[in-house]
Amino acid sequence: DQQVKQNSPSLSVQEGRISILNCDYTNSMFDYFLWYKKYPAEGPTFLISISSIKDKNEDGRFTVFLNKSAKHLSLHIVPSQPGDSAVYFCAASGNQFYFGTGTSLTVIP
Amino acid sequence: DAGVTQSPTHLIKTRGQQVTLRCSPKSGHDTVSWYQQALGQGPQFIFQYYEEEERQRGNFPDRFSGHQFPNYSSELNVNALLLGDSALYLCASSLYLGSGRTRVLRQYFGPGTRLTVT
Repeated sequence: DQQVKQNSPSLSVQEGRISILNCDYTNSMFDYFLWYKKYPAEGPTFLISISSIKDKNEDGRFTVFLNKSAKHLSLHIVPSQPGDSAVYFCAASGNQFYFGTGTSLTVIP
Repeated sequence: DAGVTQSPTHLIKTRGQQVTLRCSPKSGHDTVSWYQQALGQGPQFIFQYYEEEERQRGNFPDRFSGHQFPNYSSELNVNALLLGDSALYLCASSLYLGSGRTRVLRQYFGPGTRLTVT
C-alpha cells in the first residue's frame, strides 16, 4: 500500500526554466512533508520541508507547496540548473517516514 | 564532523545466508533508522532504534533484526536471505529540531550498503 506517490518517474527541463515535481499522499494524518535529493552512490539529502500547518515554504530557488484538501504537494525549482539533475523523493511523516518512488530530474544545459 | 557512515559499501551473499550491516550516526544523534530501497523504488522503513531499543517497526518480517549500541551505532541483521532482499540498505540518524508545534525530526542518510543476494 503506497501511501506516498510520485506518478512521474522522470522529468526533463531546460536550464533556467522552472521544474515542478509532484507528490500525492493518501493519509490525512501526515503532519510533516519533506523533499530529498539523491545523487548516484549517495544517500538522500534533505532539501526542504513543510509542516501541515503551512501551505508554502520557500528556501532560495526551492519552494514547496502543500494542498491538504487535495493531499498533494509540489516542489518548484526556479531557475533550474544542471546541478539539480538528480532523483527527488517526496516523504511524509506520521509515526514513521513514508517515501515516494522518486522522480528523476534532468536539467538540460 | 563526519556524516553518517555505513559499512560495507557492497556485499554479495547467497540465499539462506545471514548478513550484518553497520551504521555510525552523526555526532550527537541518538536515533538511528534503517531503510530498504529496492531498485526503482523509494526507501522503505524497516525500523528505528532509540536508547538501544527498537521504537518503531515497518512492515518487515522477523528475519530483519537490529541492535543499537551505547555509542548509538547500529547494526541491521538479515537472516535466511532471499533473492528479494537484494537492495540498497540505508541508515539514517536523526535529531529533533525546534520545539512545540514546530518540532520536527530531521534525518541524515548514509550512502548505503548495496546488498546482492544470489
